[in-house]
Amino acid sequence: GAGVSQSPSNKVTEKGKDVELRCDPISGHTALYWYRQSLGQGLEFLIYFQGNSAPDKSGLPSDRFSAERTGGSVSTLTIQRTQQEDSAVYLCASSFDRGLGNTIYFGEGSWLTVV
Amino acid sequence: DQQVKQNSPSLSVQEGRISILNCDYTNSMFDYFLWYKKYPAEGPTFLISISSIKDKNEDGRFTVFLNKSAKHLSLHIVPSQPGDSAVYFCAATNAGGTSYGKLTFGQGTILTVHP
Repeated sequence: GAGVSQSPSNKVTEKGKDVELRCDPISGHTALYWYRQSLGQGLEFLIYFQGNSAPDKSGLPSDRFSAERTGGSVSTLTIQRTQQEDSAVYLCASSFDRGLGNTIYFGEGSWLTVV
Repeated sequence: DQQVKQNSPSLSVQEGRISILNCDYTNSMFDYFLWYKKYPAEGPTFLISISSIKDKNEDGRFTVFLNKSAKHLSLHIVPSQPGDSAVYFCAATNAGGTSYGKLTFGQGTILTVHP
C-alpha cells in the first residue's frame, strides 16, 4: 500500500488477555518504529527496528510488551496479560532509512481499550 | 522526566493571522527537531524539521525557529487557515546517535483557527 498500514484499527479486550497489533510499513522502508499515545499524553517511543540490526527496545514499558519484525517487513507488537493502563493508541511508523532527513511516516494507529 | 515540553495545551487564532506554537527541551544531546500535525483518528503527519546547525527553516507558510541557547523552538504558521486546525506535536532526537528514529515528543498543542 501507499502508507503505513495497521490492524486492527480498534481492539477492545478484557484485562489479562493477550493482544497482537500488526504493522505493514511502507514498501522499501528499512526502519520501523512503534509508539503509543495514552489519553492526554504525547507520543511515547516503544521500540525501533533497523534492517537486520538488533532492535532498540529501550522504550518498552514492561516485559509484558514484545515486538518482532519478520522478513524485515511486517511487525507485530504483542502485549501479554493486558492491564487497563495499556489502553492507548499504538502507532507504527516507518522510514526509508535511519539517516538524518529521512521522513518518518506514521500509520493511523490501533486503538486499544482494556476493560 | 519530560524532556520535550509544549506548555500550551491549546491555541486559538483568527484565520489569516499568525499562529505561534512553542516547544522547550532539556536534553542537550538533541540535535534534530521536527513538528508533526495530527488530525483526529489519523496518524501524525510530518510538517517541517530543523537541524541544530540552523536557526531557521522555512517551508511555505510554515517556519521553524530554533534557539539553542534557550533550548527553545517555535513553529510559525502564516497565514493561518481553518484547515490548519489540528494537534501539533514537537519532537526531538539525537540524529548523530544510533537511534535517529527514537523521537521524544511533547504533549501536543491543539490549534484552532477560526474563520
